Amino acid sequence: RKEVEQDPGPFNVPEGATVAFNCTYSNSASQSFFWYRQDCRKEPKLLMSVYSSGNEDGRFTAQLNRASQYISLLIRDSKLSDSATYLCVPMDSNYQLIWGAGTKLIIKP
Amino acid sequence: DAGVIQSPRHEVTEMGQEVTLRCKPISGHDYLFWYRQTMMRGLELLIYFNNNVPIDDSGMPEDRFSAKMPNASFSTLKIQPSEPRDSAVYFCASAGPREQYFGPGTRLTVT
Repeated sequence: RKEVEQDPGPFNVPEGATVAFNCTYSNSASQSFFWYRQDCRKEPKLLMSVYSSGNEDGRFTAQLNRASQYISLLIRDSKLSDSATYLCVPMDSNYQLIWGAGTKLIIKP
Repeated sequence: DAGVIQSPRHEVTEMGQEVTLRCKPISGHDYLFWYRQTMMRGLELLIYFNNNVPIDDSGMPEDRFSAKMPNASFSTLKIQPSEPRDSAVYFCASAGPREQYFGPGTRLTVT
């Protein structure tokens, strides 16, 4: 089993729609989780940190289910600028991030 | 804060040459990470430092790769000799300690 599993996509979504990404992780000891976005040929940028059951920041909502080892990211009222790859990233006990391949999102006008 | 600074942004070199990548972390961060990203292998952790001390270098591909952090504001990743398979984007990230912030990367091409 992979340490982090995400649907690679691409998700093709019309502008203004709501889109949700799901992620499962295998390390039950992970306590901290992050969502990063990465644009083509750019560095990963931190979108949101998740330390408890969830977090919300504007149009973005993350939810964590520790029992199921599952994290989700919801984007409401999607914008063209939301097009990117979204990476679900658990942290292990040594402060190392566990990276998967991410989910590619394409917002269409 | 200027964020994590990396130089050069692009490097093209010939096989066998020495390559040195540089990183200045965010002031106050005591963790520094070096990553490599390729289409085939995704994002891979090469090495990380805590308070300037290398903690885990198990991701360093082979002896041709070395990394140093002489002080809290500077780190280098050196490849000697370089090979075409080293072509990738190399990212430096810093953290204090949880949220990691990435530099813009160095795009390395070895011909």
